Amino acid sequence: QVQLQESGPGLVKPSQTLSLTCTVSGGSITSGDYYWSWIRQPPGKGLEWIGYIYFSGDTYYNPSLKSRVSISMDTSKNLFSLNVNSLTAADTAVYYCARVSGSSSFYGLIDYWGQGTLVTVSS
Amino acid sequence: DIVMTQSPATLSVSPGERATLSCRASQSVSSNLAWYQQKPGQAPRLLIYGASTRATGIPARFSGSASGTEFTLTISSLQSEDFAVYYCQQYNNWPPFTFGQGTKLEIK
Repeated sequence: QVQLQESGPGLVKPSQTLSLTCTVSGGSITSGDYYWSWIRQPPGKGLEWIGYIYFSGDTYYNPSLKSRVSISMDTSKNLFSLNVNSLTAADTAVYYCARVSGSSSFYGLIDYWGQGTLVTVSS
Repeated sequence: DIVMTQSPATLSVSPGERATLSCRASQSVSSNLAWYQQKPGQAPRLLIYGASTRATGIPARFSGSASGTEFTLTISSLQSEDFAVYYCQQYNNWPPFTFGQGTKLEIK
């Protein structure tokens, strides 16, 4: 059973950089069958996809966040990370990491989610 | 980007009754449409994929259907644990992934 677990600070100051980590267990992030993604949800609002990283290191970011976001991976620790810079209060949200299927039958299906971590941007 | 529009925003239904939730795509997404259930403080849970296939462990009272760019999630007989927010999401044309804005299913 695949499990994803987010970790990182719960409170970050405006203009600073947020760094979150997603540790994956029960499966390898070097599998070419999956994309590893970040999604966020502001309090009381809907879901916003942030971006993904593939085992090759290829990344794709939501154009609305592209200038402030980067996703990387550490294969030795089986984890991937999210950085968001120039934070404002609008970045306050629950941040989820998730697994996206790259197999032909379920290509693009988000099949596993982490439990989420609340990040508050405030001075 | 494909825009997903869900209706209604809030649906009030009594336990034991049927609930019907709608999702419309701004262009064809084939059958690459998923439904998720989200309860307060929890991550979304995959209910339906391929527009009509129940995910593992999802009760048979949940069903999905499609007609062109219109998708429907039906819960045949509402149980207390079904009151939650439901999101649709297309995975036909990505990136980016796009979600509907959600339908809150509340107890009448």
